[in-house]
Amino acid sequence: DSGVTQTPKHLITATGQRVTLRCSPRSGDLSVYWYQQSLDQGLQFLIQYYNGEERAKGNILERFSAQQFPDLHSELNLSSLELGDSALYFCASSVGIGDGRGETQYFGPGTRLLVL
Amino acid sequence: GDSVTQMEGPVTLSEEAFLTINCTYTATGYPSLFWYVQYPGEGLQLLLKATKADDKGSNKGFEATYRKETTSFHLEKGSVQVSDSAVYFCALRARRQNFVFGPGTRLSVLP
Repeated sequence: DSGVTQTPKHLITATGQRVTLRCSPRSGDLSVYWYQQSLDQGLQFLIQYYNGEERAKGNILERFSAQQFPDLHSELNLSSLELGDSALYFCASSVGIGDGRGETQYFGPGTRLLVL
Repeated sequence: GDSVTQMEGPVTLSEEAFLTINCTYTATGYPSLFWYVQYPGEGLQLLLKATKADDKGSNKGFEATYRKETTSFHLEKGSVQVSDSAVYFCALRARRQNFVFGPGTRLSVLP
C-alpha cells in the first residue's frame, strides 16, 4: 500500500459526459501528479500540482482540467468524453516540489475509466 | 526530448530462470533512473533507483546498474519466481523535469 488513495476504482460513462476523479496523496506529500495509461500510448504524464499550484503540464488535453485543494487532495476533471479517453488514470504523490532528480513518486491504485 | 526504450515483451520464463530486461535512455544532463513494477490490477510501485553513474540499485533480489557510457539501466534477477509476474517500467527523471516512462515490459513466470 503506497498510501495514495484514488476514487472511484472503476467508472463507466457515455461519450460526451463529464467525470471527476479524486486523489488523496500520502500524508506529508505536497505534490500530486496525474498520469494516463492506455494500451497504445503507454504511461503519459498529464499534470502536476504542488501545494495547490499548478507546477508542470504534460500531454493534457484542453477538455481535461485538474486542481489541488487546501487539504492537498486533487481532482482530475474529464469533460466531453470520447471513446479514446478510456484508460487507467493514475495519481502519484511526492514529498517535494519535484525538482530533485532522485525524488520518488508513489502511485495510487488507479481509476479505470470506460467510455461507451 | 528525453526518452526511455525498453525491450518489447512479453517475456516468458520458467521459475528460477535468470531475468534481464534491457533499458536504454536518451537524456540531457544526468538523470536519475528508476524501475517501477505494476502487478495485475494495481498501481506502479518503485522497485529500485539509482541517482548517479555507476550506482547500483537493488531490492527484492532485483538489481540494476546506472551505466552512463552505454546510457543503460538493465534490470536483472538471478532467479525469478511466479510472484514476479508483472509489468516492469524503466523511467528517468532529469533535474527540474518530469518523469519519462518506457513502454513497459510484461513478464510472465511459469511454474
